[in-house]
Amino acid sequence: AQTVTQSQPEMSVQEAETVTLSCTYDTSENNYYLFWYKQPPSRQMILVIRQEAYKQQNATENRFSVNFQKAAKSFSLKISDSQLGDTAMYFCAFMTNSGYALNFGKGTSLLVTP
Amino acid sequence: EAQVTQNPRYLITVTGKKLTVTCSQNMNHEYMSWYRQDPGLGLRQIYYSMNVEVTDKGDVPEGYKVSRKEKRNFPLILESPSPNQTSLYFCASSPPPSGSPSYEQYFGPGTRLTVT
Repeated sequence: AQTVTQSQPEMSVQEAETVTLSCTYDTSENNYYLFWYKQPPSRQMILVIRQEAYKQQNATENRFSVNFQKAAKSFSLKISDSQLGDTAMYFCAFMTNSGYALNFGKGTSLLVTP
Repeated sequence: EAQVTQNPRYLITVTGKKLTVTCSQNMNHEYMSWYRQDPGLGLRQIYYSMNVEVTDKGDVPEGYKVSRKEKRNFPLILESPSPNQTSLYFCASSPPPSGSPSYEQYFGPGTRLTVT
C-alpha cells in the first residue's frame, strides 16, 4: 500500500513571501502521479499542480511549483508571492498508474497573514 | 459546464435511518469514487467504480454500499448509519489516466453528513 506523509500540520507565511510545504510518499511502483490539492474554507477540492513520475522536469503553475525528488520519494510544493487567497488546507496525493484511487496525506493548514 | 454534483449538500439524520447521497457527472468519465474526509485523517477512499456495473472496495468500505447502473451516476448508500459515519463526503470522477496528459480527478462540492 502507498502512504503519503505531510509532516507539517500547520504553517504560516506573510503575504508576498515564499513558503514550502513538504510531502513524502512510499511506493514500490515506478510509474505514478503526484498531486497537490487546495481546500479553501468552501471545502471544494481544487487541483493546484500535478506531476507524472516519469517526467524529470518539475511542474510549474504560475506561482506554484514543485520539487520532485523521485529517489528520495519527496514532492514538496513551493508557493511564491503568497496571497491571502492561498489560505487553505493543502493535501498531497499519490496515484498509481491504474487510476483507481488517490491516496492523500493528512493535510497542511496554511495561513497567509497580511 | 463540466462538473460533478452531489445531493444533498448537508444532511442531519438519526442512527439506523437509511440514506442515499447521490453523485452525478456530465463528463462521460469511466472512473468514479467516493471519499470521506475526517479531521486529521485526510481523505480516504470508500468505494470506486471503473465503469457501469463494475465497483470495488476502497480503504474504508464498512457500512457503505454503492451501485453504478448508469455511467453518469454513482450513489452512496448508508443502510444503517451510525455516528462514526459523521463526516464530509466527496464524490469524484475521472477518465483513465493512461493517454490523458492532463489527467485529474474532478471532485464534487462535498456532502456534510451528521448522524446523531
